[in-house]
Amino acid sequence: AIQMTQFPSSLSASVGDRITITCRASQDIRSDLGWYQHKPGRAPKLLIYGASSLQSGVPSRFRGSGFGTDFTLTISGLQPEDFASYYCLQDSNYPRTFGQGTKVEIK
Amino acid sequence: EEQLVESGGGLVQPGGSLRLSCAARGFMFSDYWMAWVRQAPGKGLEWVANINEDGGEQHYVDSVEGRFTISRDNAKNSLYLQMNTLRAEDTALYYCARDRNYFTTTAYYDAFDIWGQGTSVTVSS
Repeated sequence: AIQMTQFPSSLSASVGDRITITCRASQDIRSDLGWYQHKPGRAPKLLIYGASSLQSGVPSRFRGSGFGTDFTLTISGLQPEDFASYYCLQDSNYPRTFGQGTKVEIK
Repeated sequence: EEQLVESGGGLVQPGGSLRLSCAARGFMFSDYWMAWVRQAPGKGLEWVANINEDGGEQHYVDSVEGRFTISRDNAKNSLYLQMNTLRAEDTALYYCARDRNYFTTTAYYDAFDIWGQGTSVTVSS
């Protein structure tokens, strides 16, 4: 199975900050990667598909980039509603595998 | 409104069985792959299984292969997860999700664009 290593596991930030989350795949997955936001008690939400394509309705402050094995999710101008956990997910091979998650907390 | 609603969770003893259901509303269910994803207490998300549009193709994570069966009834707009020989490590919140294809000029991608609220499964004696 493809291993997805995501870091950091947690970070503290302030409203207005720019943050970056990284996922590294154990093998080449081209652009077959999505990013999801998950808040406690809520359904996960798709942010990015195809490594860099913004899901409809998602604010433009979310940006995905990368190709092959290294990917990043950047949030520019962090908003109060962005404090949540974030996961990458590879859809290149089966089994699909998520990164371990990054919890973004208020500083 | 496009919606997924899970049901069927509960408390079950180790070695027992449970069947989860997911009702789809507001979209053409038979046009989409569907998936189950779970989150154990204090842990991250884990993909469990998915199934193609007509139910003829399924994929599973290794830890549930041979114990869980994903299926669907397109006439009832419903997705199922039959879970047998349950273990303590299967304790989790189980989400169903729509597995949508996105097409660009050069490639296509899969992503889970609609999720249910989840149904809780606890395996304990």
